[in-house]
Formats: sequence, C-alpha cells, structure tokens
Amino acid sequence: DAEITQSPRHKITETGRQVTLACHQTWNHNNMFWYRQDLGHGLRLIHYSYGVHDTNKGEVSDGYSVSRSNTEDLPLTLESAASSQTSVYFCASSDQGTNSPLHFGNGTRLTVT
Amino acid sequence: LAKTTQPISMDSYEGQEVNITCSHNNIATNDYITWYQQFPSQGPRFIIQGYKTKVTNEVASLFIPADRKSSTLSLPRVSLSDTAVYYCLVARQDSWGKFQFGAGTQVVVTP
Repeated sequence: DAEITQSPRHKITETGRQVTLACHQTWNHNNMFWYRQDLGHGLRLIHYSYGVHDTNKGEVSDGYSVSRSNTEDLPLTLESAASSQTSVYFCASSDQGTNSPLHFGNGTRLTVT
Repeated sequence: LAKTTQPISMDSYEGQEVNITCSHNNIATNDYITWYQQFPSQGPRFIIQGYKTKVTNEVASLFIPADRKSSTLSLPRVSLSDTAVYYCLVARQDSWGKFQFGAGTQVVVTP
C-alpha cells in the first residue's frame, strides 16, 4: 500500500544546530506540504511544493527551507534551530487534481534545547 | 481563505449521532468544505468533502445549506474510537492544500 513516512519520529537537538526532517511518500503525488502543530495554534503551513523543483513559502516559513529534487521526497531543514521551533511537524501529500485529499504522515516531534 | 468557527468540544455517548456545525461566513464561490479527523500522536485524516447540498460516505455525512455559510458534519452511531479532534476547513481550488487549521472540535465519546 502507498504511504507517507516521516523520520525520525522524535528528535532532540540543541539551539543553533542544523536539523533536517525527512518526508517520503509512495503515492506518486505531485503536491507535498509541511505543517507544524503547536498547542493553541492548530496546524500551520510552513512550506509546500506542487512538483519537482517547485517550492513555496507558507504562513510560518522563517527559519525553514525545503527542496524538491524528486517526486517522493520533501525534506524540511531548520537552518539554525531555535527553541521556538520545538513542535510537532507533519508532512502531507496530495494528488495533482484539485480537491484531492491530503494524506498526512504521523509526525516528527522535535525538541530544541 | 475563509475563517471557520466550530465548537471547541462536544461530548457524546456510544451509539448516538454527533453533529458538528461549522460556520464559514466568508466562503468564496470556488471554495470547498473539507473535514479532517485527528487522533493523538497521528496526523490528520481526511473524512469528507463537499461543495453544496449533501455528501455521504461510509464514515460520515456532510450537510451544506444553499448559502454555504455553514456546514454540518454528521457522525452516525459513534463509538469510543471516534473520540478525536475534528477540523472543518475551507479549501480554495487554486491554492490546494494551503489549509488554515483552527483549533478543531474535540469530540469525546463515552460508554
């Protein structure tokens, strides 16, 4: 069965370090998204991509970057981790057609100390 | 994107029908209404989506009145496993996936 997987599931890092969270989907979806979820804020969009080599900033993109070199992967990089980036990160993908449901991964819990 | 408003929480007993109403007064002509469910430590999961009138699938029904300023998610005969947070989202076709999640509705089902 097709799926979307995130790794690692849990990560602890120190302030100032570069961190990369992986997202891999086998749906062959063109669209991929990164959200973060914090208490009191719900899920907020960080970056998204509508295809290979396409990336776009979302609502809370400062301090984050993504690159899309193939269909399956959209890694999220925190250039210099900050305590404010402690959160649960969700990756999602959807088919190219409009109105296609988003398929979410099970998240990465990141703690920045 | 249209802002949505839904109750913070709802309690129900097993076997009852749960109806969650969401208001989206500023919905645009091309916007769709979509609902997601989230369990603890998991990502949101798509439940149902619609544009107008009524949509039904094996999990839920979605009722959308003619003015589309609100919608109601109906969960028939809930079980304990339906305890989750339910999100009402308004989705724009030309910016698909750029959802604006609110706090959602925490539904708690008890025996």
